[in-house]
Amino acid sequence: QVQLVQSGAEVKKPGASVKVSCKASGYIFNNYYMHWVRQAPGQGVEWMGMVSPSGDTTHYAQTFQGRVTMTSDTSTSTVYMELNSLRSEDTAAYYCTLDRRFVPYWGQGTLVTVSS
Amino acid sequence: EIVLMQSPGTLSLSPGERATLSCRASQSISSSYLAWYQQKPGQTPRLLIYGASSRATGIPDRFSGSGSGTDFTLTISRLEPEDFAVYYCQQYGNSPWTFGQGTKVEIK
Repeated sequence: QVQLVQSGAEVKKPGASVKVSCKASGYIFNNYYMHWVRQAPGQGVEWMGMVSPSGDTTHYAQTFQGRVTMTSDTSTSTVYMELNSLRSEDTAAYYCTLDRRFVPYWGQGTLVTVSS
Repeated sequence: EIVLMQSPGTLSLSPGERATLSCRASQSISSSYLAWYQQKPGQTPRLLIYGASSRATGIPDRFSGSGSGTDFTLTISRLEPEDFAVYYCQQYGNSPWTFGQGTKVEIK
């Protein structure tokens, strides 16, 4: 079965960077784009962008352009999301997610806390 | 970008009652790419319905989804105590994926 296992919670200071990983299994990694979404405490869900399995194609939400980088490592079936210049408003749960055969699958989430 | 509007914002009902939640899209979307989620405080969203009407694994049959084009509905036939939560719709057929703002189902 499809599994997306994310890295653990992070605490960062304002201005720092965070890199979250998402290891995929249970499907053909090279066949599906991976998306990233986030949810701030008490807020709705926001799409951040997507990366191709090879990593050579990315599309980012305008909100995050210039601050986010999504990469992929086919040798380990792992995708990464790096967010720079963190501010308090970036405190949120970050999720990797993909659509395989019309079914959306989600990782368990990574809580990123930005605090001085 | 496809905007999803959910209504009502809050639904106050009693256990045993029927809940009807609406999700309206700003443009037509393929039914194959419309999902509903349940979320409780501190938890990851739980997939209930995908493809507008297919129940995810392990989801009780009191949850059902319907609709096409721009109008979609999630129905909970008889509310159980564990069903009081926030519900989101999502379209994942067009980039960027978008989500509704959520409907809170609360105990009356």
